[in-house]
Amino acid sequence: GENVEQHPSTLSVQEGDSAVIKCTYSDSASNYFPWYKQELGKRPQLIIDIRSNVGEKKDQRIAVTLNKTAKHFSLHITETQPEDSAVYFCAHPPTGDQFYFGTGTSLTVIP
Amino acid sequence: DSGVTQTPKHLITATGQRVTLRCSPRSGDLSVYWYQQSLDQGLQFLIQYYNGEERAKGNILERFSAQQFPDLHSELNLSPLELGDSALYFCASSVGGAEGDEQFFGPGTRLTVL
Repeated sequence: GENVEQHPSTLSVQEGDSAVIKCTYSDSASNYFPWYKQELGKRPQLIIDIRSNVGEKKDQRIAVTLNKTAKHFSLHITETQPEDSAVYFCAHPPTGDQFYFGTGTSLTVIP
Repeated sequence: DSGVTQTPKHLITATGQRVTLRCSPRSGDLSVYWYQQSLDQGLQFLIQYYNGEERAKGNILERFSAQQFPDLHSELNLSPLELGDSALYFCASSVGGAEGDEQFFGPGTRLTVL
């Protein structure tokens, strides 16, 4: 079954504030931790990913951090904008084969 | 546009019927994944194919079957349909099917079972 827990399920922030979404995972042989963004009515798209040989990766206003000891990884969005409003999914292939997604976080950025 | 195509975009049918969803991967991608997204649900991994062979199986019901053809397109068959099968079905493709390969999603097929 799924081994990825994602929190929070919903998140509202004021424009310009930061948003953080966290995922925890159980035993894993995989070193790949991606994040996907799904806008309303559209397909999921990869926005950032990290591999376990690094602890943090940044791409402009988004970053992902990984704590292998605690078995969690987080998505950080700084200086949020209304176009950041979407559902965000973490994902993790526990054995490298099956690809499990978290339950999603609905982010609303209030102008 | 991800380069992954899915047909049809919408499908409305009745319980007990059979439907076939079709997916064409990006040019050069060998692996195809199928996902189900129900209302207010996350993405449920169903099955993965790599170069025509089944590679991984997730939460796919026995009423569902899939295959990947020599030209690498894939079809997901659902039969007999139940009301709970109403969902958005996504296909994704990746170059090699390895865990670190980015998956590119198609636009999805919205299935409504009445």
